[in-house]
Amino acid sequence: KNEVEQSPQNLTAQEGEFITINCSYSVGISALHWLQQHPGGGIVSLFMLSSGKKKHGRLIATINIQEKHSSLHITASHPRDSAVYICAVPGYGGSQGNLIFGKGTKLSVKP
Amino acid sequence: NAGVTQTPKFQVLKTGQSMTLQCAQDMNHNSMYWYRQDPGMGLRLIYYSASEGTTDKGEVPNGYNVSRLNKREFSLRLESAAPSQTSVYFCASSEHTEAFFGQGTRLTVV
Repeated sequence: KNEVEQSPQNLTAQEGEFITINCSYSVGISALHWLQQHPGGGIVSLFMLSSGKKKHGRLIATINIQEKHSSLHITASHPRDSAVYICAVPGYGGSQGNLIFGKGTKLSVKP
Repeated sequence: NAGVTQTPKFQVLKTGQSMTLQCAQDMNHNSMYWYRQDPGMGLRLIYYSASEGTTDKGEVPNGYNVSRLNKREFSLRLESAAPSQTSVYFCASSEHTEAFFGQGTRLTVV
């Protein structure tokens, strides 16, 4: 079974700061997911990536397949970025929906 | 386009009661999933269905049953609820790419 570790568990930043959240996993994968969970509880998929880098607005996700490591960066952070960010990898059967999740990184951005 | 719809959003049960959590998706996805989320544990897979008519156990299936009624709907049943099943439940669907999640059901068993 793949083990997914995220760091840090909690992160407090000032508005405008550059933020990095890290994710490492133990077994080779076909793709990795970054998800966002807002205080209201809903979960939204941010990225699915299998190599290199993806960018969406102020969010950037990178993955190094050889090192089994991914990072999520937020540029010019804003209080509305406050949420839990979750890294996940395919688990049972390799399907992209059968996911094994990290425990999440709780981000709080202060104005 | 509603995506993934779960009902109910909140539920309180007494120990031993039964209930069914409903999930429907309108994206024509083959695969659907039920997860539970507990503090400090992250989300864990309960059951999944790779296609209509098939279901498989995930990491934590004990105490649950599922039904893939048709391509759209995937329900999760608790036959005899226990306090250990107090959790937030998420339904999801996917088709080779990213997964789409419902809004969650917060279940409390007293």
